[in-house]
Amino acid sequence: AQSVTQPDIHITVSEGASLELRCNYSYGATPYLFWYVQSPGQGLQLLLKYFSGDTLVQGIKGFEAEFKRSQSSFNLRKPSVHWSDAAEYFCAVAKPGAGSYQLTFGKGTKLSVIP
Amino acid sequence: DADVTQTPRNRITKTGKRIMLECSQTKGHDRMYWYRQDPGLGLRLIYYSFDVKDINKGEISDGYSVSRQAQAKFSLSLESAIPNQTALYFCATSDLRDGSYEQYFGPGTRLTVT
Repeated sequence: AQSVTQPDIHITVSEGASLELRCNYSYGATPYLFWYVQSPGQGLQLLLKYFSGDTLVQGIKGFEAEFKRSQSSFNLRKPSVHWSDAAEYFCAVAKPGAGSYQLTFGKGTKLSVIP
Repeated sequence: DADVTQTPRNRITKTGKRIMLECSQTKGHDRMYWYRQDPGLGLRLIYYSFDVKDINKGEISDGYSVSRQAQAKFSLSLESAIPNQTALYFCATSDLRDGSYEQYFGPGTRLTVT
């Protein structure tokens, strides 16, 4: 079964600093990859997704992620963090062609932003 | 109006009580899901449904049941609530027709079992 690891439980950055959130997956082939954000008291919103093609994916709110097959990673980045980015971020994978369309989520990384 | 709605948004109940959480969607999606979120554990799948006649257990279905009353409605029931079912519950939908695995989430229901 596929699994997702987000090694960092909590990250604190200063506003304006760059950000990288790590995500590693375990799966025999290339899965479909997603990053979701959960703002306090809200549901999850999709930031970006990777199915195939260009390994650098652009998303909403200025986020991007890079798929690295050799490292089984799909790290999320943002060049300059805004205070409104404080939230919890979840990486998720789906197994292509499984028919179930199930997502497996990582345990999340909470981002705090210092003004 | 929100595409995926959940009712109630907050609920406090006592151990042993039966409780139902409801989810409705206006997106026209065929697939619906129920997850629970616990701090430090991420989201775990409870049940999912591909259409009205298709219900499947997820990773943590014990103690829960579901009903897909219509394409747009998917309810989660706790027949006899227990304190370790205290969690944040999310409903989600996805659309088979567009070939996307993207799931769209409701705002969540915070359930407390005392």
